[in-house]
Amino acid sequence: QVQLVQSGAEVKKPGASVKVACKASGNSFLGQNMHWVRQAPGQGLEWMGWVSPNNDDRRYVQKFLGRVTMTRDTSTSTGDMELIRLRSDDTAIYYCVRRISTKWDDYFDYWGQGTLVTVSS
Amino acid sequence: DIQMTQSPSSLSASVGDRVTITCRASQSIGNYLNWYQQKPGKAPNLLIYSASSLQSGVPSRFSGSGSGTDFSLTISSLQPEDFAAYYCQQSSNAPYTFGRGTKLEIK
Repeated sequence: QVQLVQSGAEVKKPGASVKVACKASGNSFLGQNMHWVRQAPGQGLEWMGWVSPNNDDRRYVQKFLGRVTMTRDTSTSTGDMELIRLRSDDTAIYYCVRRISTKWDDYFDYWGQGTLVTVSS
Repeated sequence: DIQMTQSPSSLSASVGDRVTITCRASQSIGNYLNWYQQKPGKAPNLLIYSASSLQSGVPSRFSGSGSGTDFSLTISSLQPEDFAAYYCQQSSNAPYTFGRGTKLEIK
């Protein structure tokens, strides 16, 4: 059974940084990229980007360039997403996600439980 | 970026009803279309992948169809546990975009 367990809720002031951690059970992420998706309160889902298992490749959505860093540690089956220069509109639930990608199929099959990040002065 | 237009944004229905949610992509995405269900306070849950493949463990009353730009999710006979939000998502090209969601409510 695949399980992704994320770190707890955070409250941050505007301009601060936050790091959200995600720990995968077993070898569920071995050899696979880790993706991050966020969801503002009462809103839809927004894909943020991914990082490769060995941190040698990553792709971020353009709107987050310069503010987000995603890293991996395969020795501990963990991944982190750090967002800097926080703004009030960064208030959201952040999910780490496993993506399955084959020649024919491409989907997000396992999601962490989510981490609420609240940005407020 | 590929835009995903989902409709309706909300839907009221009764237990036992058949409902259909549609999703349109701004360009052809082949069959790289997935559907997720999200209940309040929970992470999304994969229902359908590759437009029409049922994820393991998902009840057979859920089905998906379509290709290219037009897709649909059908629930053949609504059960009480199906009242939730539903999202489509394209996995053809990064950034992997989602529809804005359909909130399915009890009539």
